[in-house]
Parts: sequence; C-alpha cells; structure tokens
Amino acid sequence: GQNIDQPTEMTATEGAIVQINCTYQTSGFNGLFWYQQHAGEAPTFLSYNVLDGLEEKGRFSSFLSRSKGYSYLLLKELQMKDSASYLCAVRPDYSSASKIIFGSGTRLSIRP
Amino acid sequence: DGGITQSPKYLFRKEGQNVTLSCEQNLNHDAMYWYRQDPGQGLRLIYYSQIVNDFQKGDIAEGYSVSREKKESFPLTVTSAQKNPTAFYLCASSPQGVYEQFFGPGTRLTVL
Repeated sequence: GQNIDQPTEMTATEGAIVQINCTYQTSGFNGLFWYQQHAGEAPTFLSYNVLDGLEEKGRFSSFLSRSKGYSYLLLKELQMKDSASYLCAVRPDYSSASKIIFGSGTRLSIRP
Repeated sequence: DGGITQSPKYLFRKEGQNVTLSCEQNLNHDAMYWYRQDPGQGLRLIYYSQIVNDFQKGDIAEGYSVSREKKESFPLTVTSAQKNPTAFYLCASSPQGVYEQFFGPGTRLTVL
C-alpha cells in the first residue's frame, strides 16, 4: 500500500524556525513534493526533491533521504502569513503525468 | 493570463441530483487531474487524464465520471451514486516531462 505520514498540527512563534517531518512508504519513488495550502484555497507548489539532500529556496528548505523514506520542510524567519497547511506528496512511478499521493497535511499555526 | 479556472466557487445541490464541475486550463498542459479534499484531510485522487480522449481512475472514482474531449477541458460529474459528495473539489494540470501540478481555485460542493 501507499502511506504518507506527517504531524497533524504544529505551532511556532513568529521569527522562529520550524521543521515539518514527513515519512513515506510507497510502491516506488520518483520524487517528493511539498505544497502550501491556505484555508479554503488551492495548494501552491513549494519544493520538489528527487535526490538525497537539501534544497534551499529562500526561507524554505526541503530535505530528502530516500533510504529512510523521510523528508522535512524547514521554514525560517517565520511570518504570520506562513500559517497554513503543508502537504507532503510522493510520486510513486516514473510516468511523467502519473498520480501523486498526498499526505493529510500539517496545519501550522504561527503565534506573535 | 494563463491558468486553471474552476467554476463555480460554491455549488449547492439537492441529494439525488447529478452535478458537473467545470475545469478549464489555457496552459497547454497535457495532463489533468481531479482531487477531493475533506476537512482536515489531504487530497485524494478521483480521476486523471494524460491525453485527450483517455483517462484513468484514481483512488476514489466510484460515483464520479469524467470526459476529456478537448485538451483544455476536464469536467467532473458527481453522480447520485456518490454517497457523500459534500467536499472541496480541486482540479490540477501538469505539462509532459514536468512533475509539478498546478491547481485551480477549487469548487466547494454542498449537497443538501
């Protein structure tokens, strides 16, 4: 089966750093995505990892370890607008337009 | 402006009625997808299409139907056979050879 696990909720303070973890067990692996979704809105793409290591993009970084089936999203210098759900998703196979499997999302609340 | 449009944003229907949700994209993307999202949950794949006149069932296709007669359009019909149709429906698209999916704004369907 396909399984993606991430914490349901997290809280952090404005200006701080937060790490959102994601573990996955899928039939195959061809990349891991992180999306941000504000309440009632569509998800927006944050990052894509297919090789092991850290990808940095401004205040957001994403890490992947394929051998451990593990990824994290690191958010630095947190701002109130970062309050949102963060969805971890895995593409299990190599087709260029195949399906992505989403985790249930982590709802992040930022307090002043 | 290029993008994905879904209409309407809010839709109300009586139980037992079929309803069709619209999804149009002018990004020239080959692949299109329909997801369902329930409160506090991740996205679950209903149907996807990689080319015109072809589509595949996702994880929760029962009670839904789709068509892909044009590259730009991928309408979803929620039939009366769908037992719990009230949800947030998201359409997405992606180009060939690129892995990121781009999402429309979503349609919130409420069945009374």
